[in-house]
Amino acid sequence: TQLLEQSPQFLSIQEGENLTVYCNSSSVFSSLQWYRQEPGEGPVLLVTVVTGGEVKKLKRLTFQFGDARKDSSLHITAAQPGDTGLYLCAGASSSNTGKLIFGQGTTLQVKP
Amino acid sequence: ETGVTQTPRHLVMGMTNKKSLKCEQHLGHNAMYWYKQSAKKPLELMFVYSLEERVENNSVPSRFSPECPNSSHLFLHLHTLQPEDSALYLCASSRLTSGATDTQYFGPGTRLTVL
Repeated sequence: TQLLEQSPQFLSIQEGENLTVYCNSSSVFSSLQWYRQEPGEGPVLLVTVVTGGEVKKLKRLTFQFGDARKDSSLHITAAQPGDTGLYLCAGASSSNTGKLIFGQGTTLQVKP
Repeated sequence: ETGVTQTPRHLVMGMTNKKSLKCEQHLGHNAMYWYKQSAKKPLELMFVYSLEERVENNSVPSRFSPECPNSSHLFLHLHTLQPEDSALYLCASSRLTSGATDTQYFGPGTRLTVL
């Protein structure tokens, strides 16, 4: 069974601080996706990483896929209150069925 | 607005009721999914439909019954539910189920409370 361990589960920081969220597994994934979910809404895709060691940047967000494609991280620089939300990582099944394995999520609160 | 709509947004039902959740996608996708999101647990995949055929059933109890009449619509029929079934039920769609990088677009979910 493929599992994704996401940490930390909760994070409360002040505006302007940096933070990193981690997503770890003992399994290899074909790709890994990061989603952000706001209250009352469904998850919205932020990025997909496919290649081991890949780094992608989305404004103040930096996503990295581990060399072995078993782990990933999301780093936010100078967090803003608008970054508040639930961040989810999801690994695509190596059997290529399109099935996603989700982590437990990280609830981020950025205080002004 | 992701192009995936779900109704109702909120539902309260008793354990003996029968209700249905509806999902509609306006994206021309071929695959649709039902997920369950409970507090402090990862999103759980329940069912996957590809080209209106069910391709995955993740050991979901029979009190949940999916239906996919066409590629744009997906239903989840509920009957004799338990309080532990209370959760946010999310629908998603994607272009295909065979692509590891195909993006899944989620609806806003139905918040279900079983009394």
